Amino acid sequence: AQRVTQPEKLLSVFKGAPVELKCNYSYSGSPELFWYVQYSRQRLQLLLRHISRESIKGFTADLNKGETSFHLKKPFAQEEDSAMYYCALGGYNFNKFYFGSGTKLNVKP
Amino acid sequence: DGGITQSPKYLFRKEGQNVTLSCEQNLNHDAMYWYRQDPGQGLRLIYYSQIVNDFQKGDIAEGYSVSREKKESFPLTVTSAQKNPTAFYLCASSMGAGGIYEQYFGPGTRLTVT
Repeated sequence: AQRVTQPEKLLSVFKGAPVELKCNYSYSGSPELFWYVQYSRQRLQLLLRHISRESIKGFTADLNKGETSFHLKKPFAQEEDSAMYYCALGGYNFNKFYFGSGTKLNVKP
Repeated sequence: DGGITQSPKYLFRKEGQNVTLSCEQNLNHDAMYWYRQDPGQGLRLIYYSQIVNDFQKGDIAEGYSVSREKKESFPLTVTSAQKNPTAFYLCASSMGAGGIYEQYFGPGTRLTVT
């Protein structure tokens, strides 16, 4: 069955430190992976998707099919990165998305 | 913000009462979704609709009901059968059905049942 695991509920780092939010998925087919972000008092919104291979707000994520992972990385965290981050699994054969339980990122000054 | 709206922002109800949460979108999206967001549990799918007059149960549909009579609207009713209805409810829409289209989320409705 499809499943998304985000092992960290809370991740605290200092400003300027590297950050990596982990995401592992279970799916034997060709996945579509997404990262959504929810800043305080704002709507949940798409941050990036693996197929676009973009860097958004300094964040990147590489799909590793061998490790079934889609970790979100940023070399130098900023205070404005503090938010709730959700990893989501989709695919062409899916009718819906599978969301992870989320990781709250706290960037300390 | 436009696009997808939810009302009201806060809703209070007494136990045993049904309550309907509104979700409207003007994005001309075919698919719409309802999620429940609880601390530590992420987003859990309640119901989704791929097209007008059709909808499917999600992972936690018990105690909820929906309708999709218009493309723009996907109201969610929380019935008295829902054992733990107090939560933050999010509505979303996407251009097409399936797991490849970006989902656009509403601002959410916080429901408190006492």
